[in-house]
Amino acid sequence: DTAVSQTPKYLVTQMGNDKSIKCEQNLGHDTMYWYKQDSKKFLKIMFSYNNKELIINETVPNRFSPKSPDKAHLNLHINSLELGDSAVYFCASSQMVAVTDTQYFGPGTRLTVL
Amino acid sequence: AQSVTQLDSQVPVFEEAPVELRCNYSSSVSVYLFWYVQYPNQGLQLLLKYLSGSTLVKGINGFEAEFNKSQTSFHLRKPSVHISDTAEYFCAVSEALNSGYALNFGKGTSLLVTP
Repeated sequence: DTAVSQTPKYLVTQMGNDKSIKCEQNLGHDTMYWYKQDSKKFLKIMFSYNNKELIINETVPNRFSPKSPDKAHLNLHINSLELGDSAVYFCASSQMVAVTDTQYFGPGTRLTVL
Repeated sequence: AQSVTQLDSQVPVFEEAPVELRCNYSSSVSVYLFWYVQYPNQGLQLLLKYLSGSTLVKGINGFEAEFNKSQTSFHLRKPSVHISDTAEYFCAVSEALNSGYALNFGKGTSLLVTP
């Protein structure tokens, strides 16, 4: 029973291309997140949605556009990929918007831009 | 903004030895702290969290952490490590951001357990 799943697991692409990463959670949670882990393993929040509404939008280039078609899905579309976008992208979910809530992470998508 | 500092980037330890991974947080009235583990090429898994109450928090896989308000620390400990504990360990604080809450992570500590 995969709680938070992401596709694809690996993504290799050329600079300038557009790509999407998909995330699904079967935990019945209301809140979902995208985090970026760079080559030094530093993790940083990018976006968060609560019940399809964007509630966190950090200083991310507007080439990154999240979309939440329903509260179980959160996708990340990246336009005009750059070398610096190479990273591992993690999706996470939590039951609600609460400072105390545990976030459950997916397995990650390793994006390599050549 | 709240933050955490992980004082050691790498901790080598022999199997069956005790280990302590250090984490200090920026002082705040209320603070909610988490430890996550990332095994090689996997996602993050919650080890334990401190929200309130008892300052000694027990987690999975034999790990525990102690919340120390006077020293603003939340160190992770295990009395006897296994090879399988080799992983990256992240301390994090939950903080308000825009209209929600997000985890603000430390830079991670790489635990390497050798025979």
